[in-house]
Amino acid sequence: GAGVSQTPSNKVTEKGKYVELRCDPISGHTALYWYRQSLGQGPEFLIYFQGTGAADDSGLPNDRFFAVRPEGSVSTLKIQRTERGDSAMYLCASSLTGRGEQYFGPGTRLTVT
Amino acid sequence: GQNIDQPTEMTATEGAIVQINCTYQTSGFNGLFWYQQHAGEAPTFLSYNVLDGLEEKGRFSSFLSRSKGYSYLLLKELQMKDSASYLCAVRDPNSGYALNFGKGTSLLVTP
Repeated sequence: GAGVSQTPSNKVTEKGKYVELRCDPISGHTALYWYRQSLGQGPEFLIYFQGTGAADDSGLPNDRFFAVRPEGSVSTLKIQRTERGDSAMYLCASSLTGRGEQYFGPGTRLTVT
Repeated sequence: GQNIDQPTEMTATEGAIVQINCTYQTSGFNGLFWYQQHAGEAPTFLSYNVLDGLEEKGRFSSFLSRSKGYSYLLLKELQMKDSASYLCAVRDPNSGYALNFGKGTSLLVTP
């Protein structure tokens, strides 16, 4: 079956602009996670959804970052007033339940110029 | 928080065996994962350990000692395609779902 998909695969934006990154989880997976990975580092947890609600957003670095999952499937990570330090690979993962094995999508490479 | 340590880089020869170590410090324990990540691609799941001992899965095995805060990933009969980054991750003991990753070990397999 289809895995986790993310769009766009690459996004280049100017400092100060707004961006949206989309994640389409595996069908039937109730849990969805966003991670951010900088070069040479492991993924860093940002936010976790169980169904439609953000069960834990403690990893979001500041209030410029926000994520939604309105129908309990597709999720959008939104970044306002982007900064060069936001440049990273943004990974989405899903699992059948909150404690299950996490399957990662191919990621969105965000570059802020 | 959790401190997860892995070697930064390793090199091994095609056909050989390599062991990648991971140590962690955590106030509780809720499971340890190994992921493989090729350059520019998503991490893919390799193994999961929650009890002490060795889990074998084909050419890959993973070992856990909870009392020592230690795990290793063993790769046998190395192939060139095994050149990748190997990420050790511990499930956050408080939340029970978020994964806390180490920085990864970049493995280079040479002919």
